[in-house]
Amino acid sequence: GDSVTQMEGPVTLSEEAFLTINCTYTATGYPSLFWYVQYPGEGLQLLLKATKADDKGSNKGFEATYRKETTSFHLEKGSVQVSDSAVYFCALSGGSPQGGSEKLVFGKGTKLTVNP
Amino acid sequence: DGGITQSPKYLFRKEGQNVTLSCEQNLNHDAMYWYRQDPGQGLRLIYYSQIVNDFQKGDIAEGYSVSREKKESFPLTVTSAQKNPTAFYLCASSSSSYNSPLHFGNGTRLTVT
Repeated sequence: GDSVTQMEGPVTLSEEAFLTINCTYTATGYPSLFWYVQYPGEGLQLLLKATKADDKGSNKGFEATYRKETTSFHLEKGSVQVSDSAVYFCALSGGSPQGGSEKLVFGKGTKLTVNP
Repeated sequence: DGGITQSPKYLFRKEGQNVTLSCEQNLNHDAMYWYRQDPGQGLRLIYYSQIVNDFQKGDIAEGYSVSREKKESFPLTVTSAQKNPTAFYLCASSSSSYNSPLHFGNGTRLTVT
């Protein structure tokens, strides 16, 4: 079945450092890919998404490119801030033409801590 | 503002008692979902509903029940049959568009002792 593997944390960085959180996937069909962020004590928020190969999703300085050849969707940010401290989840939605939100598959999450 | 409201934020129950978690949305979304989040395990789907008066089991439905009598509401009951109910529960909704993203509530942390 479909699956998402993301790098295990926790990840600790200093402010203004470069961030990469790796995410690879296994899926049938042509999935959409998502990054969600969860701040302490809150639910998840959609950070960015990409719906087809070579698409780049971006938001709040974060970027991720849908790489079909390497089945990857790595999250990057050039200069992190303390306010970026959160848990980041990679997810995919299956390629079923019947609709796919119920088939949203999440990675286990990567906790990021940014120190001043 | 549109959104999803989960209440209460914290809930404490004694073992053997059923407990119902509330989830209300005003986004006019057709689909609603319940996830359970445990440390180090990501999110696991409990139940989902794509339309009023219909719902399907997710990956870990045992010990849980739901209802969908109104489009806006999707309450989750954690029954005494759930062996390990202490967890963080997240409700979400989405439109019926293909591969539409999920919108999440802020969660309910349930502690059963």
